[in-house]
Amino acid sequence: SQQGEEDPQALSIQEGENATMNCSYKTSINNLQWYRQNSGRGLVHLILIRSNEREKHSGRLRVTLDTSKKSSSLLITASRAADTASYFCAERGGTSYGKLTFGQGTILTVHP
Amino acid sequence: DAGITQSPRYKITETGRQVTLMCHQTWSHSYMFWYRQDLGHGLRLIYYSAAADITDKGEVPDGYVVSRSKTENFPLTLESATRSQTSVYFCASDPGVNYEQYFGPGTRLTVT
Repeated sequence: SQQGEEDPQALSIQEGENATMNCSYKTSINNLQWYRQNSGRGLVHLILIRSNEREKHSGRLRVTLDTSKKSSSLLITASRAADTASYFCAERGGTSYGKLTFGQGTILTVHP
Repeated sequence: DAGITQSPRYKITETGRQVTLMCHQTWSHSYMFWYRQDLGHGLRLIYYSAAADITDKGEVPDGYVVSRSKTENFPLTLESATRSQTSVYFCASDPGVNYEQYFGPGTRLTVT
């Protein structure tokens, strides 16, 4: 299956600014997940939003989901230099095996 | 130690050799996954498993073989390594479709 797309591919901001990353997906989903990856490391889960949810918060993170447009967004408020990483969305399909399909990712750089 | 581990962490092998990457998780998660990560491609699913003795292909399965005789182990074998299989390989697990995935630290494989 084809991966979803993330926008922008790269984002550069100053500390304290907000960062918004968008994700489009292609299939009927069970849920949509966001992950973070620091350079050279494994992925760390940030938020999971179910197909019947529209918005979810976790600390400085806010995720929205629009199933009619097959899109999701991740907002990081009051960004810090430590938020510098790659961010990936991943769609989990509504199949019995539930494989996770990742987008290409957004590289976020937060300048101190 | 609890968690998900991969071995080896680094491997250099020659074209045509058989290589097995190991993945072990201590949570008894039902689902296990193998991904490869290459620049410009994000994470691509190679194979996944919903339970012991149940495996299925992902996006890029050619040249790889998996098995899952025990719930906690999910080895990935490259039957005859090629240079195009040079990549970083991540193993992941989760307890079900509505849960986050936990990633191993990755194996950096170089095929010369």
